[in-house]
Amino acid sequence: AQSVAQPEDQVNVAEGNPLTVKCTYSVSGNPYLFWYVQYPNRGLQFLLKYITGDNLVKGSYGFEAEFNKSQTSFHLKKPSALVSDSALYFCALRGYGGATNKLIFGTGTLLAVQP
Amino acid sequence: DAGVIQSPRHEVTEMGQEVTLRCKPISGHDYLFWYRQTMMRGLELLIYFNNNVPIDDSGMPEDRFSAKMPNASFSTLKIQPSEPRDSAVYFCASSFHPTTTSGNEQFFGPGTRLTVL
Repeated sequence: AQSVAQPEDQVNVAEGNPLTVKCTYSVSGNPYLFWYVQYPNRGLQFLLKYITGDNLVKGSYGFEAEFNKSQTSFHLKKPSALVSDSALYFCALRGYGGATNKLIFGTGTLLAVQP
Repeated sequence: DAGVIQSPRHEVTEMGQEVTLRCKPISGHDYLFWYRQTMMRGLELLIYFNNNVPIDDSGMPEDRFSAKMPNASFSTLKIQPSEPRDSAVYFCASSFHPTTTSGNEQFFGPGTRLTVL
């Protein structure tokens, strides 16, 4: 079965500190992985994706994500957090088999950056 | 491109009334998705279309919900009759076919916040 897990409901970090939002996945084939961000009262915005190639993927707003096949993880990172990064973050996995056009979303992690 | 457009942005209605939510996908996208987001259940996929044809409606909660896509630039999600438990934010998203080099990242609209009293 294909699934995505975001083990932390909330992550708190001080402004200027590095941040990590965790994501693990389960899939039988090669994973196609995505990160989205949702600001209050807004739709989800695409941040970055891993399809193939380099394990470190760079995306919008200074975010990057590290794909680790052995640990089946795709953690979102940023070297220096901003208060404006406070939002809800979703990890997603592209479906397989008859569901390649669907994205399977995690439950979301609320990132709170304190000034 | 204006992105995915949804209307209305907010809808307040009374139980038993019909509600119609509207979506205009990004031009050229092959797929259109309807999601519902609540605090209790998170983000749920309700139904999606490929080239205007419904492909998977297994997420539609019950017969009170229906969705149509009469052409490539317009889709509706209808709830009839509405109930208080339908209160949620409904998102529309669109994407290219997943085998293109751009992958199949979905682009979301701003959502419709539905409140059923």
